[in-house]
Amino acid sequence: DTGVSQNPRHKITKRGQNVTFRCDPISEHNRLYWYRQTLGQGPEFLTYFQNEAQLEKSRLLSDRFSAERPKGSFSTLEIQRTEQGDSAMYLCASSFVGGVREKLFFGSGTQLSVL
Amino acid sequence: EDQVTQSPEALRLQEGESSSLNCSYTVSGLRGLFWYRQDPGKGPEFLFTLYSAGEEKEKERLKATLTKKESFLHITAPKPEDSATYLCAVQALGNTPLVFGKGTRLSVIA
Repeated sequence: DTGVSQNPRHKITKRGQNVTFRCDPISEHNRLYWYRQTLGQGPEFLTYFQNEAQLEKSRLLSDRFSAERPKGSFSTLEIQRTEQGDSAMYLCASSFVGGVREKLFFGSGTQLSVL
Repeated sequence: EDQVTQSPEALRLQEGESSSLNCSYTVSGLRGLFWYRQDPGKGPEFLFTLYSAGEEKEKERLKATLTKKESFLHITAPKPEDSATYLCAVQALGNTPLVFGKGTRLSVIA
């Protein structure tokens, strides 16, 4: 169990550029979540997948945000035409859903700074 | 809408000074209440899940309890390495995504 891996750890970009983040979940986990966290706030839910199916995407902050999980393995989160307000920590978490009790494990996050 | 409120926002303790953090919640039907620890610049680290009122869980100097409206995280004789932000989250029935509070920022001074 190598844990949830996120890349890159840090990303600095200029306003208007597109960025993509990657998340590799724990291998036997079938559910994957994306959250966003700003300073002094708790994680805010964005979207999640069960295997390759995206179960909820209405919480994505705008149509500039999109996520994929091809073949139910790793996931990517893309932000198009970045804005300064997109600066935040983007967290990925994974879990196994199939028993009674679901437990989420988080990665270390990708810190995005939009200049 | 499911909601989590944590208090206090920040807490400063002397080493060895025990205290409690509060998590009040409203949820349509509780599947689980989660506590996480988060260090600066890192992702949340899982501590406990509580599923029903009256349940308690312990880990080293931490003990979590649950009632129908709130949860407490008790810290006994804290050490400086317990300094972190402690996050509370609820999951509603139906395996819905976790809803987090804003956290309590704990500082333990030697």
